[in-house]
Amino acid sequence: DIQMTQSPSTLSASVGDTVTITCRASQSISSWLAWYQQKPGKAPKLLIYKASTLETGVPSRFSGSESGTEFTLTITSLQPEDFATYFCQQYNKYSSLTFGGGTKVEI
Amino acid sequence: EGQLLESGGGLIQPGGSLRLSCEASGFTFGTYAMSWVRQAPGKGLEWVSAVSGRGRSTYYADSVRGRFTISRDNSGSRLFLQMNSLKAEDTAVYYCAKDDGDYVSGTGGYFDSWGQGTLVTVSS
Repeated sequence: DIQMTQSPSTLSASVGDTVTITCRASQSISSWLAWYQQKPGKAPKLLIYKASTLETGVPSRFSGSESGTEFTLTITSLQPEDFATYFCQQYNKYSSLTFGGGTKVEI
Repeated sequence: EGQLLESGGGLIQPGGSLRLSCEASGFTFGTYAMSWVRQAPGKGLEWVSAVSGRGRSTYYADSVRGRFTISRDNSGSRLFLQMNSLKAEDTAVYYCAKDDGDYVSGTGGYFDSWGQGTLVTVSS
């Protein structure tokens, strides 16, 4: 299975900050990576797919990038509603989809 | 965007069986692959199983293969997960998730709609 190592596991930030979350794949996944946001007690919400394509309706302060097997989610000008947990997910191998361990963005 | 509503969760003893259902609306159900994704209390997300749009191809995580069976009824826009030989480590919220495409046609692989989840607790 392809392992997704996400860091940090927790991130403390303030409103207005720019934060960066990283996911590293254990092998090449091309650009087949998605990012989700999850708030407590709620289902995950798709933010980005194909490493850098913003899902319709997602604010432009969210962006994704890639460098080899390392993928980054950046949130610029953090808003109060952005405090949540973020997960990456690889879909290079459909028979074995895997998620990163999650990053909790807290105040 | 689709709407998904899971049902069928509950408290079950180890070794028991449970069948989860997911009712879909707002999209052409048979056009998209569907998956079940679970989340143990306080933990991360774990993909469990997927089924192609026509239901002919299925995939399973190693942790559930041989115990769980995914299926779908496209005429009724429903997704199912039959769970047998349940273990304590299967305790989780189970989400029904709509794929953005259908992997048998080389598209999708990520999830653009999710249900609210149904809690399965395996305990004696």
